[in-house]
Amino acid sequence: GENVEQHPSTLSVQEGDSAVIKCTYSDSASNYFPWYKQELGKGPQLIIDIRSNVGEKKDQRIAVTLNKTAKHFSLHITETQPEDSAVYFCAASDSWGKLQFGAGTQVVVTP
Amino acid sequence: NAGVTQTPKFQVLKTGQSMTLQCAQDMNHEYMSWYRQDPGMGLRLIHYSVGAGITDQGEVPNGYNVSRSTTEDFPLRLLSAAPSQTSVYFCASLGQGERGEAFFGQGTRLTVV
Repeated sequence: GENVEQHPSTLSVQEGDSAVIKCTYSDSASNYFPWYKQELGKGPQLIIDIRSNVGEKKDQRIAVTLNKTAKHFSLHITETQPEDSAVYFCAASDSWGKLQFGAGTQVVVTP
Repeated sequence: NAGVTQTPKFQVLKTGQSMTLQCAQDMNHEYMSWYRQDPGMGLRLIHYSVGAGITDQGEVPNGYNVSRSTTEDFPLRLLSAAPSQTSVYFCASLGQGERGEAFFGQGTRLTVV
């Protein structure tokens, strides 16, 4: 089955700097790669996703890149703000609904 | 717009007790699933359902049962709780089509003593 590895497990950045989280996956059949943000005491919420026919996608301060050959994808957050502090999860899926999640990255943005 | 609703939010059980975690969605989604979240392990799929009357096992199904009698509801049953089932449980439903976004409930924090 699919195995998703996520790095780093914790990330501390200064407000205004960029944050990058990287994930690798094992199943070449995976074709959907979402990123979720989880705030304390809440369920994960989708922030951006990318499909295998696209190499990069951007939405305001967040962007995701996908390298299918190397089987890795990354989340980039620019101009970080304190409200970006949360746990971020990457996931991969090769079929409808069956998401395999990474272990998560705790992001702390310090003023 | 309720989305995905889970109850209860918190629960403490004694070893061997049984209980049902409730999950309901009002988005008419066919796909629903249960995950458990443990520190450093992300979210692991317990059971899922692709429609009423259809369920299947995920990555960590042992000790849990599910049923799907309606599109809206997908309860998770613990028949004989064990300390290893102490975790935060999330229910999710998935929309169809190109986006396929998963919507999560607020979670149930379960402690088994």
